[in-house]
Amino acid sequence: EAGVAQSPRYKIIEKRQSVAFWCNPISGHATLYWYQQILGQGPKLLIQFQNNGVVDDSQLPKDRFSAERLKGVDSTLKIQPAKLEDSAVYLCASSESRGIAQPQHFGDGTRLSIL
Amino acid sequence: GDSVTQMEGPVTLSEEAFLTINCTYTATGYPSLFWYVQYPGEGLQLLLKATKADDKGSNKGFEATYRKETTSFHLEKGSVQVSDSAVYFCALSLMDSSYKLIFGSGTRLLVRP
Repeated sequence: EAGVAQSPRYKIIEKRQSVAFWCNPISGHATLYWYQQILGQGPKLLIQFQNNGVVDDSQLPKDRFSAERLKGVDSTLKIQPAKLEDSAVYLCASSESRGIAQPQHFGDGTRLSIL
Repeated sequence: GDSVTQMEGPVTLSEEAFLTINCTYTATGYPSLFWYVQYPGEGLQLLLKATKADDKGSNKGFEATYRKETTSFHLEKGSVQVSDSAVYFCALSLMDSSYKLIFGSGTRLLVRP
C-alpha cells in the first residue's frame, strides 16, 4: 500500500511570507493529523481531521496557521505570515479511524526554514 | 497536563551491546503507550505499543513493558545493530485527548561497529 505522501520535502522562505504544505493520506484513512516537530523536540499535534471535519485544533496558532481537508481526502496546511519560530518539520499522519488501536502512519515531512 | 519524559541522548553503544532507553509518563487518564522510531530524513514509524498495564510490546527484537505502578515504558533490546541508529520517541495516547499522540523529546541512538 502506498504511504502518506507529503510535498514539498523542503521549503525556504523569508519571514512574513506565506507557505503551504500538502498531504495525501493512505487511501481509505478517515483520520488525518498535522504535527509540528521543532528541532530537538518531539512532534506536537497542530490539527486533527475526521473525514473533512476538525476534531482537535486546540494547539493550532489560528492567527497565522490554517488547514483544510475539503473532500475528506488530501489536506493543505498554510502559514501566513511566517515567523522565525515556525522553522520546523511539518509531519502529516493518517489512520483508518480514531481510536487507541488505530496506528498512525507518518509521511516523511516537509522541512521549513525561515530566514 | 499529560506528558512524556525520555532520557536525554545521544546514547552511544557498540554493536551487540544491550540497550535501555528510559521513558516515564504523566497522564490524567489511562493511556496507551507507544515507541516510534525515526531514521534520518524519514518520518516516524511505529515500533511497538502497549494498551494496558503489564502488556509487553515487541517488534524487531525491541521490547517495552507497560508499568502502571512506576508510570514507565522503558525500551530495551538485547543486542543492537548499526542499523538501529535512529531517534526513538516514546508517546502516549488518551481517549480524552482525541487519541492524539503526545511525544517525548526523543532519544538519539548511535551504534558503532
